[in-house]
Amino acid sequence: ILNVEQSPQSLHVQEGDSTNFTCSFPSSNFYALHWYRWETAKSPEALFVMTLNGDEKKKGRISATLNTKEGYSYLYIKGSQPEDSATYLCVIPGANNLFFGTGTRLTVIP
Amino acid sequence: GAGVSQSPRYKVAKRGQDVALRCDPISGHVSLFWYQQALGQGPEFLTYFQNEAQLDKSGLPSDRFFAERPEGSVSTLKIQRTQQEDSAVYLCASSPQGVRGQETQYFGPGTRLLVL
Repeated sequence: ILNVEQSPQSLHVQEGDSTNFTCSFPSSNFYALHWYRWETAKSPEALFVMTLNGDEKKKGRISATLNTKEGYSYLYIKGSQPEDSATYLCVIPGANNLFFGTGTRLTVIP
Repeated sequence: GAGVSQSPRYKVAKRGQDVALRCDPISGHVSLFWYQQALGQGPEFLTYFQNEAQLDKSGLPSDRFFAERPEGSVSTLKIQRTQQEDSAVYLCASSPQGVRGQETQYFGPGTRLLVL
């Protein structure tokens, strides 16, 4: 079992604010990290796959960084919009499955 | 649509009832996974198929849980004699090949099971 921790568990921000949250994972035997976005009543949607130390990925207003040596990844959202409200899941692949964090539930208040 | 679909989306069962949850993966995807998400927790692995072969069922919580994928496409997760602790969201995901590394898994919307 691989321990993937996310913080904070939940977050409320005002529309237009920028925000970020953290995923921590064991740094040994790291292979890849995935970020997923899960809106209520919908399917989790892949945002990023990150593999290299120092990786930075960007998709619109959302970006992510990776530090495999210290075992963390940050997800940033610039200028949050109500449609960004969702749970953001950090996921580490294992041999035959995925290990999920508990997610950060983001609510953007209009 | 071309995504992963699951049915039913919601299921209410009386304790002791058997339930069957269906997953239709993306056509041609070799791998299929089932996950269970209890309230307030992240999803946890249940079982993994490569085509019709169930390669890992280490996450199934008890022998009341059974999964199959007889023709290597549609999968069914069956829970016998449901208990209240089985109440959760059951997620299905598929991927083109395996799970390791960079390959993205494509998720269905989940089945929310409530056992009364």
